[in-house]
Amino acid sequence: AQKITQTQPGMFVQEKEAVTLDCTYDTSDPSYGLFWYKQPSSGEMIFLIYQGSYDQQNATEGRYSLNFQKARKSANLVISASQLGDSAMYFCAMRDLGDDYKLSFGAGTTVTVRA
Amino acid sequence: DAMVIQNPRYQVTQFGKPVTLSCSQTLNHNVMYWYQQKSSQAPKLLFHYYDKDFNNEADTPDNFQSRRPNTSFCFLDIRSPGLGDAAMYLCATSATPYEQYFGPGTRLTVT
Repeated sequence: AQKITQTQPGMFVQEKEAVTLDCTYDTSDPSYGLFWYKQPSSGEMIFLIYQGSYDQQNATEGRYSLNFQKARKSANLVISASQLGDSAMYFCAMRDLGDDYKLSFGAGTTVTVRA
Repeated sequence: DAMVIQNPRYQVTQFGKPVTLSCSQTLNHNVMYWYQQKSSQAPKLLFHYYDKDFNNEADTPDNFQSRRPNTSFCFLDIRSPGLGDAAMYLCATSATPYEQYFGPGTRLTVT
């Protein structure tokens, strides 16, 4: 069963505006972690941000922030002040407890930033 | 400084001709993973090593094998590549639950 759901296959955003990428997950483990990765056309998976299930505050890294709503099992990524270089595929992933840190990935969302 | 290195970045092989992809890391992480990613799809885990312990995913074809001779290196062997094995192959490493670092990937073409 798919554990991670990204319902937006593609999004367009105007340069300098903010964009929110949706991610919902399903797990019965109390301890888990949520990751967001950026994959440009070159193919490399670039780590953006991490949120642990016990973290009290939403994670932030520069222009990236994670809107973590535990009760709703959602971990949306917010990119503020979009730049042309933000155009890429974005993947949400989850790590379960005791799984040798294996990640399950969502289907991804393609973001295109317009000038 | 590159932390997870994959060679080659692009590999072309012929149908049925064995091919080996390599991954090395300078992070001294104990866990190494191999993912297959087809065009416009999510990465799919093939197998991983926790130290020397090999862990195969249930749906990974027998055509895919792996070796980890030491902490730093891990190899992906495709014994008889088919056209359906053309994909990006991503290597990743981890030492804690809070991180997983990926290499740049090897894009495999099968002719």
